[in-house]
Amino acid sequence: EVQLVESGGGLVQPGRSLRLSCEVSGFNFDDYAMHWVRQAPGKGLEWVSGITWNSGSIYYANSVRGRFTISRDNAKSSLYLQMDSLRSEDMGLYYCTRVNQFLVYDYWGQGTLVTVST
Amino acid sequence: DIQVTQSPSSLSVSVGDRVTITCRASPGIATFLAWYQQKPGKVPKLLIHGASTLQSGVPSRFSGSGYGTDFSLTISSLQPEDVGTYYCQKYNSAPFTFGPGTKIDIK
Repeated sequence: EVQLVESGGGLVQPGRSLRLSCEVSGFNFDDYAMHWVRQAPGKGLEWVSGITWNSGSIYYANSVRGRFTISRDNAKSSLYLQMDSLRSEDMGLYYCTRVNQFLVYDYWGQGTLVTVST
Repeated sequence: DIQVTQSPSSLSVSVGDRVTITCRASPGIATFLAWYQQKPGKVPKLLIHGASTLQSGVPSRFSGSGYGTDFSLTISSLQPEDVGTYYCQKYNSAPFTFGPGTKIDIK
């Protein structure tokens, strides 16, 4: 069974950092690109960042470029999102997603909640 | 960057109604367009990719069409379990932008 489990969310002050993790199981992690998608409370979906299977290509939304860093450890079947200089507009549920052979998200984690507040 | 819009933003329909949601991407994206369904309190689910290819396990009342800049998602006969928000997403190249969503509820 394919599983994606995010962790690392929590309450953080503006300007501080947080590192999200996504541990996967049930498939060969290093065969797939992975993306992060977030959703602010009561709002729509926002694509955040993506990484190819070998980390050869990395992409960021303009809203997070220069502050967030995506990475992966294929040996640990894990995806990461280092979030620095956090802002209130970064608050929301962060989903880890698997990119299938058709380049779309066929599996999603349950999400980890990030709250940015004093 | 390519802009992705959706209309309407919300609609209230009756069970059994035919529902059509539109998505526009400018400039064009060929058929690199996906549709996701998010039921209240749930994780998004892939419905359609390649503008018109139904994801395995998705009911046949869902269908997609379009090419280039204009796309649509149609539910041929709305069921109570179809209540939720529907998002289109372009995936031809980064940024992989989602549309703002269309919320569907029952009259």
